[in-house]
Amino acid sequence: DAGITQSPRYKITETGRQVTLMCHQTWSHSYMFWYRQDLGHGLRLIYYSAAADITDKGEVPDGYVVSRSKTENFPLTLESATRSQTSVYFCASGGSGTFSYNEQFFGPGTRLTVL
Amino acid sequence: GENVEQHPSTLSVQEGDSAVIKCTYSDSASNYFPWYKQELGKRPQLIIDIRSNVGEKKDQRIAVTLNKTAKHFSLHITETQPEDSAVYFCAARPFSGGYNKLIFGAGTRLAVHP
Repeated sequence: DAGITQSPRYKITETGRQVTLMCHQTWSHSYMFWYRQDLGHGLRLIYYSAAADITDKGEVPDGYVVSRSKTENFPLTLESATRSQTSVYFCASGGSGTFSYNEQFFGPGTRLTVL
Repeated sequence: GENVEQHPSTLSVQEGDSAVIKCTYSDSASNYFPWYKQELGKRPQLIIDIRSNVGEKKDQRIAVTLNKTAKHFSLHITETQPEDSAVYFCAARPFSGGYNKLIFGAGTRLAVHP
């Protein structure tokens, strides 16, 4: 869906470097999420945000930092990249209420390789 | 913490046969169970979902059943077609403070052979 975009789509970096993955949505969804996808592990939640300036840890937050100063953007930063962070990263958005049952819409993904 | 287990990890069927994928969840207070389909190189997309107050839901060739007592839910695909070949993920939404987060299973790779 054009409503949620990620950049870059592909990134190669070296161990120890800082990397920021960008996510932008145009639906004004309250919730945004970051997942990583690795073979055999499915989609694992890294961080999520219920609204601007509200973020919380997911299942695998170590080594990652997020911020959400604007509703439409939710960048994910790897402060010091490690090889174990090589993965496909998906951003998602959805939900307009705390107790709603809203679909999560996924972005196209970013394939990150850490050498 | 919350956990969702999904079986089988791979499933191979002949075109026209049925396919069943099963998931179990750990948090008995989970209240929403979506299923996502991910084609090769694409993003996951929702195909069907069910809430905890419903036992079964059907949409054309796909259906989902929920057994809250056993903490099981299943995806059923009938009359499978080659375009059903993809990875399918189940998920559960734990009732943890009201946040709209999902816990996903590890996925099932379905191959439908003509």
